[in-house]
Amino acid sequence: QVQLQESGPGLVKPSQTLSLTCTVSGASISSSPYYWSWIRQPAGKGLEWIGRIYGSGSTNYNPSLQSPVSLSVDASNNQFSLKLTSLTAADTAVYYCARGGRGHFHYWGQGTLVTVSS
Amino acid sequence: QSVLTQPPSVSAAPGQKVSISCSGTSSNIGSNYVSWYQQIPGTAPKLLIDDKNKRPSGIPDRFSGSKSGTSATLDITGLQTGDEAHYYCGTWDNGLAAVVFGGGTHLTVL
Repeated sequence: QVQLQESGPGLVKPSQTLSLTCTVSGASISSSPYYWSWIRQPAGKGLEWIGRIYGSGSTNYNPSLQSPVSLSVDASNNQFSLKLTSLTAADTAVYYCARGGRGHFHYWGQGTLVTVSS
Repeated sequence: QSVLTQPPSVSAAPGQKVSISCSGTSSNIGSNYVSWYQQIPGTAPKLLIDDKNKRPSGIPDRFSGSKSGTSATLDITGLQTGDEAHYYCGTWDNGLAAVVFGGGTHLTVL
């Protein structure tokens, strides 16, 4: 059974950088033929795809995002990470990691709430 | 403003059938598979219909998906009070080179 777990700070100041990590169990990120994605959801709003990474390290990002974003893989720890810079209040949301990358996400983490506030 | 368009809300009585629509364009629904998700408040979305229009293990056959042209539909039959949730459609958009979602539909089982 594939399981994903997000970790990272719950509170970040405006203009700072958010770093989140997703730890995967039950599957190998680097050898699975799947994309791994980050998705976020502001309170009371819909889902927004942030970007995806393949085990090889190739990435795609949502061109609609206002804040610069980067994804990376740590194969040795079976983790993939999100870095979002120049945060604003609009980046306050629940952040999910999920397996998939073309709209089909079978496995999700439980989500982690990130609040951007001074 | 979501790329895919869903009605904000639908409602029906227990035991009845409800259909939730998801409208897109030739760049997304028109040329890619559509997945559907159920989200109960406070929890992560759950995949109901995958990109092959199949139900993952554990999803009852009361849930079914279909697509015609640039629109997709999620049908739920034999409604139960436990089906009250938000429902989202999602797919790949070739023009944006991004995953796009609908704005979500809240289902009320009266």
